Amino acid sequence: DTAVSQTPKYLVTQMGNDKSIKCEQNLGHDTMYWYKQDSKKFLKIMFSYNNKELIINETVPNRFSPKSPDKAHLNLHINSLELGDSAVYFCASRGTGGSGYTFGSGTRLTVV
Amino acid sequence: GNSVTQMEGPVTLSEEAFLTINCTYTATGYPSLFWYVQYPGEGLQLLLKATKADDKGSNKGFEATYRKETTSFHLEKGSVQVSDSAVYFCALSAGGTSYGKLTFGQGTILTVHP
Repeated sequence: DTAVSQTPKYLVTQMGNDKSIKCEQNLGHDTMYWYKQDSKKFLKIMFSYNNKELIINETVPNRFSPKSPDKAHLNLHINSLELGDSAVYFCASRGTGGSGYTFGSGTRLTVV
Repeated sequence: GNSVTQMEGPVTLSEEAFLTINCTYTATGYPSLFWYVQYPGEGLQLLLKATKADDKGSNKGFEATYRKETTSFHLEKGSVQVSDSAVYFCALSAGGTSYGKLTFGQGTILTVHP
């Protein structure tokens, strides 16, 4: 069973479109994250939710809107896609008590 | 703010060579330190971690020691294999208002030739 699953794995879309990426974890973790990996492999936090509550929002354009319907899901919706949004987006989750982070396999977004 | 600096890559080695990837950090308090590995086309996997000073994390022949006095967490392996070719990320997680977010270094690409 996949612990943190993201869909889709690949997403190619035109500039100006609106798209969503979904993430689900079956680990019972309370905290979930979205990270962006750029073309140089640099990883940067975007958002974090703890039990459906937004706790981290790092200087991300407001075209990006996370949604957490329950603590097992954290989706990312992107409006008016731009070429610079092309990247790999990773979802991750973390439990309490010193447990580590578990990452999804990533969604490669290409905006053309 | 918190930051992580890794040695510049790419690193190219022959099989069975010794590997060191340097990592230093800046953080308030006492962060937890991690090494993650990303194999081609895959997501990030935790390689090893250390949560307090002088702890040594180890896994799959890789080791790193949490050195508070030098704010370092260098990754080492005595004999690399072709299958170790990947991107390696050093990261930290601090407490308080960081809410456990990971701050990553820029990544080091390792290529091992037969």
